[in-house]
Amino acid sequence: EVQLVESGGGLVQPGGSLRLSCAASGFTFNNYWMHWVRQAPGKGLEWVSRIKSDGSNTNYADSVKGRFTISRDNAKNTLYLQMDGLRAEDSAVYYCAKSPYGGYHDYWGQGTLVTVSS
Amino acid sequence: DIQVTQSPSSLSASVGDRVTITCRTSQTVSSHLNWYQQKPGKAPKLLIHGASSLLSGVPSRFSGSESGTDFTLTINSLQPEDFATYYCQQTYTTPLTFGGGTKVEIK
Repeated sequence: EVQLVESGGGLVQPGGSLRLSCAASGFTFNNYWMHWVRQAPGKGLEWVSRIKSDGSNTNYADSVKGRFTISRDNAKNTLYLQMDGLRAEDSAVYYCAKSPYGGYHDYWGQGTLVTVSS
Repeated sequence: DIQVTQSPSSLSASVGDRVTITCRTSQTVSSHLNWYQQKPGKAPKLLIHGASSLLSGVPSRFSGSESGTDFTLTINSLQPEDFATYYCQQTYTTPLTFGGGTKVEIK
């Protein structure tokens, strides 16, 4: 059974940093692209970033480019999102998602809440 | 960036109704259009990818179609468990973009 479990969310002050993790199991992690998608409270879905199966290719939404860094450790079956320079508008539930070809997301984690506030 | 315009933003329907949700992309996405269902407090679930390919295990009352840059999700004979918010997403090019969502409510 595919499982994706996010962790690392919490309350952080504006300008602060946070690192999210997504522990994967139930599939061959190093064969799949992985994504982060976020959802502000009461709002729609926003794609954040993706990383290729071997980590050689990454893409970002303009809203986070230069502030967020996606990475993965295939030996640990874990996806990361390093978030620096956090802003109030980054407050959201962050989901990790698995992707066969870098496109559609066939499995999602349960999400972790990030709140940026003073 | 490719814009994805989804309509309507909400609708009310009854069990047994046929429901249609539309997404229009600002440029061609070559069938790279996906549909997700999200229930309150839960993660989204993939229903359809590639405009019309139903994910294994998704009921056949769900279907997707495309005509150029217009994409449609149809739910035939709406069931109580189908009341949720639906999102489309283009995955043709980055940044990947979602439609604004359609909330399907009980009439």
